[in-house]
Amino acid sequence: DSGVTQTPKHLITATGQRVTLRCSPRSGDLSVYWYQQSLDQGLQFLIQYYNGEERAKGNILERFSAQQFPDLHSELNLSSLELGDSALYFCASSRDPGLTYNEQFFGPGTRLTVL
Amino acid sequence: GESVGLHLPTLSVQEGDNSIINCAYSNSASDYFIWYKQESGKGPQFIIDIRSNMDKRQGQRVTVLLNKTVKHLSLQIAATQPGDSAVYFCAGGTASKLTFGTGTRLQVTL
Repeated sequence: DSGVTQTPKHLITATGQRVTLRCSPRSGDLSVYWYQQSLDQGLQFLIQYYNGEERAKGNILERFSAQQFPDLHSELNLSSLELGDSALYFCASSRDPGLTYNEQFFGPGTRLTVL
Repeated sequence: GESVGLHLPTLSVQEGDNSIINCAYSNSASDYFIWYKQESGKGPQFIIDIRSNMDKRQGQRVTVLLNKTVKHLSLQIAATQPGDSAVYFCAGGTASKLTFGTGTRLQVTL
C-alpha cells in the first residue's frame, strides 16, 4: 500500500458526460501528479500540482482539468468524454520540497470506461 | 520532445538468472531517471532512480546503469524470482516532468 488513495476504483459512463476523479496524497506529500494509462500504452503525464499550485503540465487535453485543494487532495475533471478517454488514471504524490528529486508514490488507479 | 522507449516488449528469464531490461531516451537534457514496476491490476511501484551525475546506482538485487553518451539506461535484476514478473517502465526527464516508456513485460519461468 503506497499510502495514496484514489476514488472511485471503477467508473463507467457515457460519451459526452463529465466525471471527477479524486486523489488523496500520502501524509506529508505536497505534490500530486496525474497520469493516464491507456491499453498497451505507457504512462502519459497529465499534470502536476504542488501545494495547491499548478507546477507542470504534460499531455493534458483542454477537456480535462485538475486542481489541488488546501487539504492537498486533488481532483481530475474529465468532460465531454469520448470513447478514447477510456483508460486507467493514476495519481501519484511526492514530498517535493522545492526542486529536489523525490520518489513518486502511485495510487491504485481509477479505471474509466466510456461507452 | 522527450521520447523514452524500451528495446523489447517482452523478456523471458529463467528463475535464478539475471535480468537486464534496456531503455533508450532521446532528450539529452534529461537529468533524472526512474525505473518502475507494475504488477497486473496495480499502480506503478518505484524500484530505483538515478540522476544524470551518476553512472550506476545499486539497490537490493537491482542495479541501474546510465550511459549518457549513448542515452541508454538499463535495469539489472539479480537472481530473478517469480515475484519479479511484471511490466517494467523506465521514465526520464526532470523531477517534475517525466516521460514514461511503454514498458517491458518480464516473464519469469521456472
